[in-house]
Amino acid sequence: KNQVEQSPQSLIILEGKNCTLQCNYTVSPFSNLRWYKQDTGRGPVSLTIMTFSENTKSNGRYTATLDADTKQSSLHITASQLSDSASYICVVSAASNYQLIWGAGTKLIIKP
Amino acid sequence: GAGVSQTPSNKVTEKGKYVELRCDPISGHTALYWYRQSLGQGPEFLIYFQGTGAADDSGLPNDRFFAVRPEGSVSTLKIQRTERGDSAVYLCASSPQGYTDSYGYTFGSGTRLTVV
Repeated sequence: KNQVEQSPQSLIILEGKNCTLQCNYTVSPFSNLRWYKQDTGRGPVSLTIMTFSENTKSNGRYTATLDADTKQSSLHITASQLSDSASYICVVSAASNYQLIWGAGTKLIIKP
Repeated sequence: GAGVSQTPSNKVTEKGKYVELRCDPISGHTALYWYRQSLGQGPEFLIYFQGTGAADDSGLPNDRFFAVRPEGSVSTLKIQRTERGDSAVYLCASSPQGYTDSYGYTFGSGTRLTVV
């Protein structure tokens, strides 16, 4: 069964610190992996999209990595800011029908 | 418009009533998607439109749910005989072409539906 699992479920860090969020998936055949940021009460906003051949992709202070062999991805946030407080959702697209399989998200709280 | 607009932002309805949720996508986006998100969960796919037609409606949970996009722009998600289990945030997204869009979808802020 195609699944996406994220860890941790929630995370609290101090402003200015770095953190890494994890995503494991069992989707096959794989098309691409996306990370979304969802602020409370808002729709998800795309941060990065990576295909099979891409190992890393950055978007400002956000850096996503992908290991297609182990079916793992991570999202690293550098020098966190209060505005980074949100849910971060990992989404994998299946090449067979391009449906998106969504993880449950990691709720990140940045404290001053 | 500049973004995806969803109305209403909040809707409270009584069990058994009919509701309509509206989505106004980004102008020119041919693909439109409806998702449902329960608290603490990722969005759950409902239906995907390519132009005026439903290219994939495999996520609609049952025949109480129906969606239309008659002119290929605005879409309406219709729920008949609402049940308390339908309470969720209903998200709409659009993209320029379709499923294979490499730059992701643009989501609206959602409609929070509460069935009492």
